[in-house]
Amino acid sequence: ETGVTQTPRHLVMGMTNKKSLKCEQHLGHNAMYWYKQSAKKPLELMFVYSLEERVENNSVPSRFSPECPNSSHLFLHLHTLQPEDSALYLCASSRGSGNEQFFGPGTRLTVL
Amino acid sequence: GEDVEQSLFLSVREGDSSVINCTYTDSSSTYLYWYKQEPGAGLQLLTYIFSNMDMKQDQRLTVLLNKKDKHLSLRIADTQTGDSAIYFCAVLITSGTYKYIFGTGTRLKVLA
Repeated sequence: ETGVTQTPRHLVMGMTNKKSLKCEQHLGHNAMYWYKQSAKKPLELMFVYSLEERVENNSVPSRFSPECPNSSHLFLHLHTLQPEDSALYLCASSRGSGNEQFFGPGTRLTVL
Repeated sequence: GEDVEQSLFLSVREGDSSVINCTYTDSSSTYLYWYKQEPGAGLQLLTYIFSNMDMKQDQRLTVLLNKKDKHLSLRIADTQTGDSAIYFCAVLITSGTYKYIFGTGTRLKVLA
C-alpha cells in the first residue's frame, strides 16, 4: 500500500476525446507530481504542485492540463492527444518538494 | 545540463549478487535514490543515500557513492527471482529550485 492511488489504471482514447486522470494521496504530503514514462526514455517530469500551486511546468504541450484542487488530489486533463502521447502516466507525492517521492501505480494510456 | 545515466539491462543468476550502476553529472546533488518498478506498477522507493555518505546498507541492499567520480551503485545480495524489475536511479538537485532527475532505468532479469 503506497498511499498514492491513481484511476483509471488503463485508458484507451481517440485523438478527439477528452478524458481526465485522477491521483489521490493519503500520506499527508503537500507536493504532488505528474510524470510521463515512455519506453526506453528517462522519466519525464510534467508538472509539480507544491502547496497546491504549480511550481514547475517543463514546457508540456497544452493538450495536457493539470489541476490540483487541494493537497490530496491531482488531476491531469487530456484533450486532443496524439498517438505519441501513449505512455504510462505516474503520479507521485512528497512531504515538501525536496523529499523522497512516493509513486502511484500509474495509468497506462493508449491514444488511437 | 543535468544527466543521469544507467545501463539498460542486467542479467544475473539466482543467488548471485547484482550490481546496478548509475552516473550523474550535477555535483550539487544532495540526495540520491534507488527506486524499483515491477511490471504494471509505479515506482517504489527502495533506499536512498545522502551525499555526505559513502555507503549505506539495508538488509540485502548496499548503496555505494563515489562523489568524486559521480558514481552511484546498488548491490543486491543473494538476488532472487522476485528482484526482477526495473531499477531507477534518481538524484535530487538543490541548487536553485529543487529538481529530481531520473535515469532511464536498468532492467534486471534474474535467471533461475
